Formats: sequence, C-alpha cells, structure tokens
Amino acid sequence: RKEVEQDPGPFNVPEGATVAFNCTYSNSASQSFFWYRQDCRKEPKLLMSVYSSGNEDGRFTAQLNRASQYISLLIRDSKLSDSATYLCVVTASSGGSYIPTFGRGTSLIVHP
Amino acid sequence: EPEVTQTPSHQVTQMGQEVILRCVPISNHLYFYWYRQILGQKVEFLVSFYNNEISEKSEIFDDQFSVERPDGSNFTLKIRSTKLEDSAMYFCASSENEPVATELNTEAFFGQGTRLTVV
Repeated sequence: RKEVEQDPGPFNVPEGATVAFNCTYSNSASQSFFWYRQDCRKEPKLLMSVYSSGNEDGRFTAQLNRASQYISLLIRDSKLSDSATYLCVVTASSGGSYIPTFGRGTSLIVHP
Repeated sequence: EPEVTQTPSHQVTQMGQEVILRCVPISNHLYFYWYRQILGQKVEFLVSFYNNEISEKSEIFDDQFSVERPDGSNFTLKIRSTKLEDSAMYFCASSENEPVATELNTEAFFGQGTRLTVV
C-alpha cells in the first residue's frame, strides 16, 4: 500500500472555478502535513502547512481529517497562475525519525 | 529571504564516474535531506542528516551514495559510480526542526535542484 496517495489528475478547470484535491495517507501515526506546489521542472515550494483545526491562506484552504486519514486542499477563484502540480507531503516515522514523504502529485490546469 | 542553494544546476557525467552534488542549507536549519525525482515520477526520499550523521536512508541510498557536511555550511551528496538510472533531478532540503506535530517551523525548504544526466 502506498504511503501517500493522490489522484494524479489532470484537473482541467476554467479561471474562477473552485477546485478541491484530496490526499490519503496510510500511516496513522503521521505527524505533520503539508501541501507543496511544483511547477514543471522546478523544485517543490511550500504552499501551506495543514493544521488539525484546518487553515486558510487567501484563496487556499487546507483541512485534515485524522480519523479518515486524509487531507484536502481547496482553491477558490482559480487563476491561470495556479496551474501546477500540487504535492501532498506527510511526515511519517521511519526507524525513529520523521521523514517528509511525497505523494505523486495532482496536476491542475487552469484555462481561460 | 533565506534559501537553499544547490550547485551545479546541471551535471552531465559518463556512466561509472563519480559526481558530487553540493548544497548550502538555510543557515539556522538543523535537519537536512536529499531527494530525487526521475522525470515524470514522484519525489523520492534518499537520506536525512542531523547532528552530523545520517538519521534515515531509503532503499535507494545504497553503498554508491554518501553524504557529508564537511564544513558546517555545505551538505554534499556523492555518487561513487554513476549508472544510467541515476539520471534524475536531485533536490536538497532543510528544515529548522524535525517534522513532528509538537514542533513549529518544521517545513522543509527545497533548493532549485541539480539535474544529473548520466550518459
């Protein structure tokens, strides 16, 4: 079973749309959760951390559901510049240390 | 804004040659990581480093790989005898604290990567 799973997409949406991504993780002892954004052939860049109470940063809202072991990212009022791959990152214990583990990413294409 | 820097941005090497990829983590960070991403695939963990020693390594990180923090600033990844399948983007990352729920500032910040091409 994969540790961190994401729907690869692509999600193809018009400007202004609201789009949501989910990510599931297998390790119930996972500690920290993040969403990163990766543009083509670039490094992953932190979009936001995901807190137990949920958190919002402008048009972006992240939620954590520990009972069902998934996190979500909601993007409102999509912009063309939101087109990218969104990576779910979960830190899970591996032999005592907590290692950020990546999902495969969900591709988002926002079109005019 | 502090950032992780990596050099070179692109390295082409012949199969069997040794390569050293260099990284300068953010100065007050204590946890360091190397990841790789083969074109079109996911970001894969290679190794983590804390307190001047390896804390975790993945199955990918075999005897051909080694890491060093030689001078308190640089963090290097060495591949002793490169293979064609080592061709990938290699990312260095650092974080201030270990990514556990009880800590703040646990986010990992990534360098721009070194594209390694083995021919």
